[in-house]
Formats: sequence, structure tokens, C-alpha cells
Amino acid sequence: QVQLVQSGAEVKKPGASVKITCDISGYPFTSYYMHWVRQAPGQGLEWMGVINPSGGNARYSQKFQGRLTMTRGASTSTVYLELDSLRSEDTAVYYCARDRALIVTPITGDVDYWGQGTLVTVSS
Amino acid sequence: QSALTQPPSASGSPGQSVTVSCAGTGSDVAAYHYVSWYQQHPGKAPKLIIFEVTKRPSGVPDRFSGSKSGNTASLTVSGLLPEDEADYYCSAFAGNSIVFGTGTKVTVL
Repeated sequence: QVQLVQSGAEVKKPGASVKITCDISGYPFTSYYMHWVRQAPGQGLEWMGVINPSGGNARYSQKFQGRLTMTRGASTSTVYLELDSLRSEDTAVYYCARDRALIVTPITGDVDYWGQGTLVTVSS
Repeated sequence: QSALTQPPSASGSPGQSVTVSCAGTGSDVAAYHYVSWYQQHPGKAPKLIIFEVTKRPSGVPDRFSGSKSGNTASLTVSGLLPEDEADYYCSAFAGNSIVFGTGTKVTVL
């Protein structure tokens, strides 16, 4: 079955960077787009960006341009999210989430599978 | 891209229906047929319950239905059950991005 398994919780100081992994199994890794979505404590969902695991190209929300990088493993079924220059407002649960659309079709934004979430706490 | 607007809360008694609205713009909700709805219980990841405005993934009861008119999408939950008490989020494709709604807490009285 489809599984998205994320790395564990992180505690970072302001100004630091964090890198979260999302290990994928149960389907051909390069067949579906992968989004990253975050949720601050008690707040709503926020789209961060999407990566094409086949070509490695990514599209980011304007809000995170310049400090967000999404990549995929060269020989592993893993996608990565790296966020730089962390501030307290980046404290949130970060989710990887699979788009329903196959790579050969346009992105839909309809997400059918989610990782379990990774809590990132930014505190001095 | 601003968040889609949802009412903060909605409620109904068991067996009743509740409808949650999701107001967007001509660049997102109105522009594409990709509006989805997610159910989220406390401490859990969201779960897709409606995609492409009206479609239900396998395993989602037909008590959940979606619709759209112009800039506003709606989710209706019929025959409310206690387990339907959760947060609900809409989302819409906006061309170069995805935008989520502000979220609605549905309470089963």
C-alpha cells in the first residue's frame, strides 16, 4: 500500500536550516507529483510547493522563494524539503503529500496520500 | 495568493445536514475544476474526502458531497455522525499554486 514516511521531529534555533525527508513506497516513485504542506499550531493548512520526482523540478509558493528547496533522491524513493533562515513563525507540522495526478498530466492539487507529519520547532 | 474563506465553525445534530462554504476568486475556485475537501481530526493528517469539486475517493461515504457555483465551493455532510466532528479544509488549484481554505470546525451537537 502507498506509504509516505517522514523523518522525526526537529528543534532548531532561529537562523538555522532544517531538512525533512519523506520516504515513499507502494507505488512508482517517479509517477506522481509531491507537495509539501505545513500547519502551524492551531492554524490552517499552508501550501509550500510541489516537486516532480521524475525531473526534479520544483515550484514554490512565493512566500518561501529564496529560502525553500525541494529535492528528490538520486537513487532512493525519497523527497526532501529544506527550509533556511528559520524563524519562530516557521514552527509547524510539515507534511509531504501526493498529488492524485500522474506526472504526464497537469498538477491538480488534489492530494490523496499524506505523510504522518514532522514537527519543526524553532526556538532560541 | 490569499487563503480561501471558510466560516470558522458549523454545527448540527446527529442525522442532520451541515454545509460548509469556501469562497475564492476568479483565479482559483472559479477558474478550474480542481477543488478538493479534506477532513482532519485532532493530531492526524488531513484526509481527502472530495476531489475535482464533486468526486469522492473510494471508501468515503456518499454522505459527503461537493458542489461549486462561481467563486464559491461547498461541502455538504448529510446524516451527521459523531465521527464527522472534525476540521474541514477546502483547497483549490490556482494555476501556479495551490491555495487552502481557512478551515471550518464542524461540531456534532
